[in-house]
Amino acid sequence: KNQVEQSPQSLIILEGKNCTLQCNYTVSPFSNLRWYKQDTGRGPVSLTIMTFSENTKSNGRYTATLDADTKQSSLHITASQLSDSASYICVVSAKTGANNLFFGTGTRLTVIP
Amino acid sequence: EADIYQTPRYLVIGTGKKITLECSQTMGHDKMYWYQQDPGMELHLIHYSYGVNSTEKGDLSSESTVSRIRTEHFPLTLESARPSHTSQYLCASSEMEVSTEAFFGQGTRLTVV
Repeated sequence: KNQVEQSPQSLIILEGKNCTLQCNYTVSPFSNLRWYKQDTGRGPVSLTIMTFSENTKSNGRYTATLDADTKQSSLHITASQLSDSASYICVVSAKTGANNLFFGTGTRLTVIP
Repeated sequence: EADIYQTPRYLVIGTGKKITLECSQTMGHDKMYWYQQDPGMELHLIHYSYGVNSTEKGDLSSESTVSRIRTEHFPLTLESARPSHTSQYLCASSEMEVSTEAFFGQGTRLTVV
């Protein structure tokens, strides 16, 4: 069964600190993995995309990693800001299937001053 | 900002009323989706479309219906709203290729009283 699991469910950190969010998946055949940021009451916005051959990709203070062998990904946020408070959703695409997008439940990050 | 728009952003309506949630995109995307998301929960696919006159049901059973008469327009209709329909509804679109990004609208927060 194609599944995407994220941990932790929620996280509270102090402004300026770093944090790492985890995503494990069983989606097959794997196409790519995206991390989305969803602010409260808004639609998700893509942060990074990871394909099978990519191990690490950075987008500003966000760095995503992918281990295709263990089917794990992480999103590392450096020097957190209050505006980073949001839900972070891991979305894995399969190469085949009518519905080929599989969503994790998200990690709710709260950055406090 | 993605060129995909949802209206209304917020809607409070009485039980038994018929409602239509609007979704339009100006990117020329063939694929469009409707997701339902309860607070703090994952996104569930309720409908999708591959193009004009194509509509399919998603993983989550829904009493809503959709239509795709024009490429840019993918409205969702509830013939008789019930309190159990209270949720956030997110519309998304993407190109046909598997690896492309899904762009999300801002969402419609529906409350049925």
